[in-house]
Amino acid sequence: QLQLQESGPGVVQPSQTLSLICSVSGGSLNRGGFYWSWIRQQPTKGLEWIGNIYDTGSTYYNPSLQSRVAMSVDMSKNQLSLKLIAVTAADTAVYYCARASYYYDRNVIQKYWYFDLWGSGTLITVSS
Amino acid sequence: DIQMTQSPSSLSASVGDRVTITCRASQSIGTYLNWYQHKPGKAPRLLIYAASHLQSGVPSWFSGSGSDTDFTLTIGSLQPEDFATYYCQQTYSPSLTFGGGTSVEVK
Repeated sequence: QLQLQESGPGVVQPSQTLSLICSVSGGSLNRGGFYWSWIRQQPTKGLEWIGNIYDTGSTYYNPSLQSRVAMSVDMSKNQLSLKLIAVTAADTAVYYCARASYYYDRNVIQKYWYFDLWGSGTLITVSS
Repeated sequence: DIQMTQSPSSLSASVGDRVTITCRASQSIGTYLNWYQHKPGKAPRLLIYAASHLQSGVPSWFSGSGSDTDFTLTIGSLQPEDFATYYCQQTYSPSLTFGGGTSVEVK
């Protein structure tokens, strides 16, 4: 069964770059029909979507983070990566990677996407 | 961005209670609405997709309804394992957004 596991440095200094990895096991990242996302939860706050990366390699980011974020995929290692530059204390959060799947409704010829698989998250603290 | 507003932000309930959580979108999103359950230290869990479709493996006492701007998650009979925070999420816009969450606490 496919599993996702995030890993990261734990602590990042302000103004530095946060780099996270999401390792995929039990299946291939290369399989079509899905896209992959990063989501975070800041302390005492709700879930915040960071961005998506599609099987074409294209990306789409949260407009509020777009200028600082980059996502990529390494198919040879079966890993996703997230880079967030110029971090501040506001970037302190638990970061999750997730897989998006879809339900296809033939009646209306529409795909309905949802996050059906999540990693357990990794806590990143921005502090000097 | 499409804003998703959940209410209440928290509620207290007892085992066996019927619990209703609402989610309102700032514009019409059809049925592009998902619900997740989140417990501390755990990965979020998909409960409902496309507003009313129960995810495989999710107990049948969970149900979802609604369309356009107003949606509801109902827990038909609250079980001990259901105390958690619940989030709605819209996927109508490619800029995905979540509601602020509803914490279901022990009364």
